[in-house]
Amino acid sequence: AQKVTQAQTEISVVEKEDVTLDCVYETRDTTYYLFWYKQPPSGELVFLIRRNSFDEQNEISGRYSWNFQKSTSSFNFTITASQVVDSAVYFCALSDNGNKLVFGAGTILRVKS
Amino acid sequence: KAGVTQTPRYLIKTRGQQVTLSCSPISGHRSVSWYQQTPGQGLQFLFEYFSETQRNKGNFPGRFSGRQFSNSRSEMNVSTLELGDSALYLCASSSGRLETQYFGPGTRLLVL
Repeated sequence: AQKVTQAQTEISVVEKEDVTLDCVYETRDTTYYLFWYKQPPSGELVFLIRRNSFDEQNEISGRYSWNFQKSTSSFNFTITASQVVDSAVYFCALSDNGNKLVFGAGTILRVKS
Repeated sequence: KAGVTQTPRYLIKTRGQQVTLSCSPISGHRSVSWYQQTPGQGLQFLFEYFSETQRNKGNFPGRFSGRQFSNSRSEMNVSTLELGDSALYLCASSSGRLETQYFGPGTRLLVL
């Protein structure tokens, strides 16, 4: 069965600090996709990144970077030089069965000025 | 392109009533999935529709149902509402299997 664990319930940082959000997943399939979504207070889930199981190359997009390690079943997300606008709930998700997304519990990120 | 739209945005119902929520996917997307988000259970998959056929279903009772129309718009229905059905219902669309799902703003349902 698929499972996604985000062990950090809540993280508080001061603006300009770097912060890493952890994600550990479980699946028996060799083909799967991992995602990160951001949920601001408005409620809409905003897509951040999609990564397939055959591509372990790390990715950087502006202040965001992702570290995918199959050996440890982890897909961690780092925000560099955090800003107040980064405050939100961040979800890691796994898909290995069509379009059914299995989400982690989410990590609340609070960035203080 | 316009994003995923959901109507209504807010809804208040009483126990025992039924409710229908609507979702219009991104133009060209044929897959629509529904999710329920509650503080206790988090984000849970309800079902997915593709080309008017239910392709996948989560572990929800039969009171939760859905359908998809030929224009890919989807509706979900919850009958005999219970207090525990109070949640944010999110709809997502994608262009195909295992493709990225883009979410709508959600419908906040409160059952009194």
